[in-house]
Amino acid sequence: GAGVSQSPRYKVAKRGQDVALRCDPISGHVSLFWYQQALGQGPEFLTYFQNEAQLDKSGLPSDRFFAERPEGSVSTLKIQRTQQEDSAVYLCASSLTGLIPYEQYFGPGTRLTVT
Amino acid sequence: QQQVKQSPQSLIVQKGGIPIINCAYENTAFDYFPWYQQFPGKGPALLIAIRPDVSEKKEGRFTISFNKSAKQFSLHIMDSQPGDSATYFCAARHGGSQGNLIFGKGTKLSVKP
Repeated sequence: GAGVSQSPRYKVAKRGQDVALRCDPISGHVSLFWYQQALGQGPEFLTYFQNEAQLDKSGLPSDRFFAERPEGSVSTLKIQRTQQEDSAVYLCASSLTGLIPYEQYFGPGTRLTVT
Repeated sequence: QQQVKQSPQSLIVQKGGIPIINCAYENTAFDYFPWYQQFPGKGPALLIAIRPDVSEKKEGRFTISFNKSAKQFSLHIMDSQPGDSATYFCAARHGGSQGNLIFGKGTKLSVKP
Protein backbone atom coordinates (compact mmCIF):
# COMPACT_ATOMS: atom_id res chain seq x y z
CA GLY A 1 0.00 0.00 0.00
CA ALA A 2 0.94 3.66 0.05
CA GLY A 3 3.64 4.88 2.37
CA VAL A 4 3.53 7.77 4.81
CA SER A 5 2.51 11.01 3.14
CA GLN A 6 2.96 14.56 4.35
CA SER A 7 1.64 17.90 3.20
CA PRO A 8 2.55 20.47 2.30
CA ARG A 9 6.01 19.44 1.15
CA TYR A 10 7.26 23.01 1.47
CA LYS A 11 5.98 25.86 3.59
CA VAL A 12 7.26 29.40 3.86
CA ALA A 13 5.91 31.37 6.77
CA LYS A 14 6.57 34.87 7.99
CA ARG A 15 7.73 35.15 11.56
CA GLY A 16 4.72 35.20 13.84
CA GLN A 17 2.41 33.23 11.54
CA ASP A 18 0.78 29.97 12.55
CA VAL A 19 1.35 26.85 10.43
CA ALA A 20 -0.25 23.40 10.29
CA LEU A 21 1.55 20.36 8.93
CA ARG A 22 -0.31 17.19 8.04
CA CYS A 23 0.71 13.55 8.21
CA ASP A 24 -1.13 10.56 6.71
CA PRO A 25 0.40 7.40 8.20
CA ILE A 26 0.39 3.97 6.63
CA SER A 27 -3.11 2.54 6.91
CA GLY A 28 -3.55 0.47 10.07
CA HIS A 29 -0.45 1.77 11.80
CA VAL A 30 -1.13 2.38 15.45
CA SER A 31 1.97 4.36 16.37
CA LEU A 32 2.78 7.78 14.93
CA PHE A 33 5.84 9.90 15.62
CA TRP A 34 6.86 13.45 14.73
CA TYR A 35 10.53 14.37 14.38
CA GLN A 36 12.34 17.62 13.60
CA GLN A 37 15.41 17.55 11.39
CA ALA A 38 17.65 20.59 11.29
CA LEU A 39 19.92 21.07 8.30
CA GLY A 40 22.81 18.61 8.38
CA GLN A 41 21.57 16.87 11.52
CA GLY A 42 19.76 13.68 12.42
CA PRO A 43 16.04 13.69 13.19
CA GLU A 44 15.07 14.60 16.76
CA PHE A 45 11.95 13.27 18.45
CA LEU A 46 9.08 15.66 19.08
CA THR A 47 6.01 13.64 20.06
CA TYR A 48 4.36 10.20 19.92
CA PHE A 49 0.80 8.96 19.48
CA GLN A 50 -0.67 5.54 20.04
CA ASN A 51 -3.95 5.67 18.15
CA GLU A 52 -5.50 8.98 19.20
CA ALA A 53 -3.68 9.20 22.53
CA GLN A 54 -0.64 11.46 22.74
CA LEU A 55 1.56 9.43 25.07
CA ASP A 56 4.78 11.41 24.90
CA LYS A 57 5.30 15.05 24.05
CA SER A 58 8.58 15.46 25.83
CA GLY A 59 10.42 16.54 22.68
CA LEU A 60 8.20 19.49 21.79
CA PRO A 61 10.54 22.50 22.08
CA SER A 62 7.99 24.99 23.40
CA ASP A 63 4.32 25.47 24.13
CA ARG A 64 4.00 26.98 20.64
CA PHE A 65 4.10 23.44 19.29
CA PHE A 66 0.94 21.37 19.42
CA ALA A 67 0.06 18.02 17.83
CA GLU A 68 -3.14 16.06 17.53
CA ARG A 69 -4.46 12.83 16.03
CA PRO A 70 -8.17 12.99 16.83
CA GLU A 71 -9.36 9.86 15.03
CA GLY A 72 -6.24 7.79 15.38
CA SER A 73 -5.15 8.13 11.76
CA VAL A 74 -4.22 11.54 10.27
CA SER A 75 -2.11 13.77 12.50
CA THR A 76 -1.49 17.50 12.45
CA LEU A 77 1.48 19.33 13.91
CA LYS A 78 0.70 22.97 14.58
CA ILE A 79 3.25 25.65 15.29
CA GLN A 80 1.95 28.96 16.59
CA ARG A 81 3.74 32.30 16.24
CA THR A 82 6.56 30.78 14.19
CA GLN A 83 10.14 31.85 14.89
CA GLN A 84 13.22 31.61 12.67
CA GLU A 85 14.61 28.81 14.84
CA ASP A 86 11.58 26.71 13.85
CA SER A 87 12.97 26.43 10.30
CA ALA A 88 13.62 22.73 9.74
CA VAL A 89 12.24 19.64 8.05
CA TYR A 90 9.39 18.09 10.01
CA LEU A 91 9.20 14.33 9.56
CA CYS A 92 6.36 12.01 10.40
CA ALA A 93 6.88 8.28 10.93
CA SER A 94 4.46 5.47 11.58
CA SER A 95 4.81 1.99 13.00
CA LEU A 96 2.39 -0.92 13.01
CA THR A 97 2.55 -1.13 16.80
CA GLY A 98 4.91 -0.09 19.56
CA LEU A 99 6.07 -3.69 19.85
CA ILE A 100 8.69 -5.81 18.06
CA PRO A 101 9.79 -5.43 15.29
CA TYR A 102 9.66 -1.68 16.04
CA GLU A 103 10.07 -0.67 12.40
CA GLN A 104 9.29 2.99 11.76
CA TYR A 105 8.55 4.25 8.27
CA PHE A 106 9.11 7.89 7.46
CA GLY A 107 7.30 10.27 5.19
CA PRO A 108 9.10 12.71 2.86
CA GLY A 109 8.87 15.55 5.36
CA THR A 110 7.68 19.14 5.26
CA ARG A 111 10.40 21.73 4.85
CA LEU A 112 9.41 24.80 6.87
CA THR A 113 11.20 28.07 6.25
CA VAL A 114 10.41 30.99 8.54
CA THR A 115 11.41 34.37 7.14
CA GLN B 1 24.72 14.78 25.92
CA GLN B 2 24.68 12.96 22.63
CA GLN B 3 23.28 9.49 23.23
CA VAL B 4 24.32 7.99 19.90
CA LYS B 5 27.69 9.03 18.48
CA GLN B 6 28.27 8.42 14.77
CA SER B 7 31.47 8.59 12.76
CA PRO B 8 32.84 9.57 10.36
CA GLN B 9 30.92 12.70 9.43
CA SER B 10 31.70 12.12 5.75
CA LEU B 11 33.22 9.34 3.71
CA ILE B 12 34.42 9.02 0.12
CA VAL B 13 35.08 5.62 -1.45
CA GLN B 14 35.63 4.27 -4.93
CA LYS B 15 33.01 2.09 -6.62
CA GLY B 16 33.35 -1.45 -5.34
CA GLY B 17 34.86 -0.35 -2.02
CA ILE B 18 33.44 -1.22 1.40
CA PRO B 19 32.53 1.88 3.38
CA ILE B 20 32.18 1.35 7.14
CA ILE B 21 30.17 3.66 9.37
CA ASN B 22 30.45 3.37 13.12
CA CYS B 23 28.13 4.20 15.99
CA ALA B 24 28.56 4.07 19.74
CA TYR B 25 26.04 4.37 22.54
CA GLU B 26 26.08 4.56 26.32
CA ASN B 27 22.58 3.60 27.40
CA THR B 28 22.31 -0.16 27.94
CA ALA B 29 18.51 0.16 27.91
CA PHE B 30 18.55 0.57 24.12
CA ASP B 31 16.97 -2.52 22.55
CA TYR B 32 16.80 -1.94 18.80
CA PHE B 33 19.31 -0.39 16.40
CA PRO B 34 18.21 0.56 12.88
CA TRP B 35 20.11 2.21 10.05
CA TYR B 36 18.41 4.67 7.75
CA GLN B 37 19.43 5.95 4.32
CA GLN B 38 18.41 9.45 3.29
CA PHE B 39 18.67 11.06 -0.12
CA PRO B 40 18.42 14.86 -0.50
CA GLY B 41 14.84 16.05 -0.27
CA LYS B 42 13.56 12.65 0.87
CA GLY B 43 12.62 11.15 4.19
CA PRO B 44 14.85 8.55 5.87
CA ALA B 45 14.32 5.03 4.52
CA LEU B 46 14.82 2.01 6.77
CA LEU B 47 17.77 -0.01 5.52
CA ILE B 48 18.48 -2.71 8.06
CA ALA B 49 18.08 -3.15 11.82
CA ILE B 50 19.41 -5.35 14.59
CA ARG B 51 18.53 -6.26 18.17
CA PRO B 52 21.26 -6.64 20.81
CA ASP B 53 20.94 -10.42 21.08
CA VAL B 54 22.45 -10.77 17.58
CA SER B 55 26.08 -9.99 16.64
CA GLU B 56 25.65 -9.66 12.89
CA LYS B 57 22.89 -9.27 10.35
CA LYS B 58 23.12 -9.22 6.55
CA GLU B 59 20.58 -8.00 4.04
CA GLY B 60 21.81 -7.93 0.48
CA ARG B 61 24.94 -5.77 0.33
CA PHE B 62 24.33 -4.27 3.79
CA THR B 63 25.71 -5.78 7.01
CA ILE B 64 25.37 -4.64 10.60
CA SER B 65 28.01 -5.75 13.08
CA PHE B 66 27.02 -5.39 16.73
CA ASN B 67 29.35 -5.50 19.75
CA LYS B 68 27.21 -5.44 22.87
CA SER B 69 30.10 -5.39 25.35
CA ALA B 70 31.72 -2.42 23.61
CA LYS B 71 28.35 -0.74 23.01
CA GLN B 72 29.22 -0.21 19.37
CA PHE B 73 27.65 -1.14 16.07
CA SER B 74 28.61 -0.52 12.49
CA LEU B 75 27.24 -0.61 8.96
CA HIS B 76 29.24 -2.16 6.12
CA ILE B 77 28.22 -1.67 2.50
CA MET B 78 29.66 -4.36 0.22
CA ASP B 79 30.49 -3.61 -3.42
CA SER B 80 29.40 0.00 -3.04
CA GLN B 81 27.85 1.75 -6.04
CA PRO B 82 27.44 5.42 -6.98
CA GLY B 83 23.72 5.00 -6.27
CA ASP B 84 24.59 4.33 -2.62
CA SER B 85 25.73 7.96 -2.29
CA ALA B 86 23.48 9.33 0.44
CA THR B 87 23.47 10.26 4.11
CA TYR B 88 23.30 7.34 6.53
CA PHE B 89 21.95 7.57 10.05
CA CYS B 90 22.26 5.08 12.85
CA ALA B 91 19.62 5.14 15.57
CA ALA B 92 18.67 3.47 18.81
CA ARG B 93 15.38 2.79 20.52
CA HIS B 94 15.04 3.09 24.25
CA GLY B 95 13.58 -0.13 25.60
CA GLY B 96 10.50 0.50 27.71
CA SER B 97 9.90 3.92 26.23
CA GLN B 98 7.15 4.71 23.82
CA GLY B 99 9.49 3.71 21.04
CA ASN B 100 10.93 6.92 19.70
CA LEU B 101 14.30 6.66 18.01
CA ILE B 102 17.45 8.55 18.96
CA PHE B 103 19.55 9.31 15.89
CA GLY B 104 23.21 9.87 15.27
CA LYS B 105 24.27 12.98 13.38
CA GLY B 106 24.68 11.19 10.09
CA THR B 107 27.44 10.21 7.67
CA LYS B 108 27.49 11.64 4.16
CA LEU B 109 28.74 8.90 1.85
CA SER B 110 30.01 9.59 -1.64
CA VAL B 111 30.83 6.65 -3.92
CA LYS B 112 32.98 7.70 -6.86
CA PRO B 113 32.54 5.90 -10.21
